[in-house]
Amino acid sequence: KAGVTQTPRYLIKTRGQQVTLSCSPISGHRSVSWYQQTPGQGLQFLFEYFSETQRNKGNFPGRFSGRQFSNSRSEMNVSTLELGDSALYLCASSSRTDNYGYTFGSGTRLTVV
Amino acid sequence: DQQVKQNSPSLSVQEGRISILNCDYTNSMFDYFLWYKKYPAEGPTFLISISSIKDKNEDGRFTVFLNKSAKHLSLHIVPSQPGDSAVYFCAARDDKIIFGKGTRLHILP
Repeated sequence: KAGVTQTPRYLIKTRGQQVTLSCSPISGHRSVSWYQQTPGQGLQFLFEYFSETQRNKGNFPGRFSGRQFSNSRSEMNVSTLELGDSALYLCASSSRTDNYGYTFGSGTRLTVV
Repeated sequence: DQQVKQNSPSLSVQEGRISILNCDYTNSMFDYFLWYKKYPAEGPTFLISISSIKDKNEDGRFTVFLNKSAKHLSLHIVPSQPGDSAVYFCAARDDKIIFGKGTRLHILP
């Protein structure tokens, strides 16, 4: 079966702009979580969506937002980009019945200049 | 406040020997622990997990040990192979999955 698909793979934006990243989970998975990976900080939890509802949110400013559609596809948006937002953004999907094992996408590498 | 800690940023092990990656946690409410492996330019891949009611889980060359009293878990890889060179993330779940900062494992020829 197809894996988790994240688009785009790479993105370069300017400070102050906004960006939208997309994630298509594995078919049948209703839970989508987003993580930010930066050097030295590991994977930091952004938010989790399940059946179009945000179930959990990490400690990120309000500039970071997300949503989930009825087909379980999810988007995350970052407004007023800062240089420190440069990171690999990872999306993971789960059926929540598979011993909590997440399947990750390959990520979107965002560079803010 | 780091709830999942991997105190060794990197580890080098000779091919064929045992690799031991360690992880400490602070939240006693975690009910499930997981290890993920990550290669550059790829997303993390699930490796092995363990429920908080167990103290050991084995899958081929990979074994995870959980010491709840010490709030410590470890991943043992034996024998270590060149393809095991990657970043390993320890993770734990309460109502979300929280990851450590990772340990880069180098398998030396």
